[in-house]
Amino acid sequence: AQTVTQSQPEMSVQEAETVTLSCTYDTSESDYYLFWYKQPPSRQMILVIRQEAYKQQNATENRFSVNFQKAAKSFSLKISDSQLGDAAMYFCASGTGANSKLTFGKGITLSVRP
Amino acid sequence: DTAVSQTPKYLVTQMGNDKSIKCEQNLGHDTMYWYKQDSKKFLKIMFSYNNKELIINETVPNRFSPKSPDKAHLNLHINSLELGDSAVYFCASSQDWGAYEQYFGPGTRLTVT
Repeated sequence: AQTVTQSQPEMSVQEAETVTLSCTYDTSESDYYLFWYKQPPSRQMILVIRQEAYKQQNATENRFSVNFQKAAKSFSLKISDSQLGDAAMYFCASGTGANSKLTFGKGITLSVRP
Repeated sequence: DTAVSQTPKYLVTQMGNDKSIKCEQNLGHDTMYWYKQDSKKFLKIMFSYNNKELIINETVPNRFSPKSPDKAHLNLHINSLELGDSAVYFCASSQDWGAYEQYFGPGTRLTVT
């Protein structure tokens, strides 16, 4: 069974600054993948970034990057140069090659101060 | 060009009624899913289909019955609606079975009164 924990319910960041959202996970699988999804007020779930567990290199997607610490089972999301449009709920999720379903954390609400 | 679409986006109905939510994806994906997001925003898998075959049924009540007429469509029918069924239901799809990223529809907000 997989579990995903996001312990911070809310965070706030000043526009143009950097913020890091935390996530820890637990899994007994060796073949697993990690994701961050963004859910703005429109409620659309948007894939932000993906990390394969077998890759040592941290994934990067424009202003978004992850810090993947496999031994610590930690998967944090860093947002650089925060923009007002980054304000949303962010979900960390894990999936495995075996069962294809995503297990989500409880999410964190990010607000961006102008 | 919407990749994953759902209809309706909003559904308000009374307890005891039967309702359906439709989902279509134009990505050519083989695998589709239904997720439920409760009032606390927690997302949980309900069903997944691969090539029209039911693979995952996460202990969802029998009142919920998914149907996949073809690989591009996955509908959700709910019988005898209860207050606790009020939630946002998301359809999603992925390229294939396995650890692929999933693309979500816009969600259907179901309110049972």
